[in-house]
Amino acid sequence: DVKVTQSSRYLVKRTGEKVFLECVQDMDHENMFWYRQDPGLGLRLIYFSYDVKMKEKGDIPEGYSVSREKKERFSLILESASTNQTSMYLCASFERPRLNEQFFGPGTRLTVL
Amino acid sequence: GDSVTQMEGPVTLSEEAFLTINCTYTATGYPSLFWYVQYPGEGLQLLLKATKADDKGSNKGFEATYRKETTSFHLEKGSVQVSDSAVYFCALSVAGNQFYFGTGTSLTVIP
Repeated sequence: DVKVTQSSRYLVKRTGEKVFLECVQDMDHENMFWYRQDPGLGLRLIYFSYDVKMKEKGDIPEGYSVSREKKERFSLILESASTNQTSMYLCASFERPRLNEQFFGPGTRLTVL
Repeated sequence: GDSVTQMEGPVTLSEEAFLTINCTYTATGYPSLFWYVQYPGEGLQLLLKATKADDKGSNKGFEATYRKETTSFHLEKGSVQVSDSAVYFCALSVAGNQFYFGTGTSLTVIP
């Protein structure tokens, strides 16, 4: 089974802090994604990556950056956390074209005070 | 652009009732269509999918048929259970590059 893990299930940070959210997948997938999930808005794509050291902006990249130094790990960085970044963050991976479904991690619920 | 529209919730049903959650899509190419389910406190997991027109995806008693003429992929189940209580997301992918999700429909099944 594909497994996608995220470093924390719950995280509380203060405004202005630098925040790292880590995601690791164990199936050698090339493609990895970061979404945020908010009530009434569904999932919105923040960043994605097709390969190591490659990244592409999604629909809402402002206030975020990412790092992909190794194939299995995709990190989301909030350079200076703000209260409007309080949300559920979901990481996903998939390998195309053999499988075209995304596999999701359990999510990190981030609260910024 | 590509997008998915699904019916808003929340939906509350009694056990053994029939479920329909509507989903329509807009896509420039030939999308694959998905239903994902999110149980409380968990990430999303694939429920079913269909990759071409007239395909029917099915899993755990849920079904959805890819209707190109109506650009729809409605989720149905003949008899829901309390354990089906979750949030359901319709999604599409064109050429496997990006995925577009609906806003989610919360389902609560009461005994």
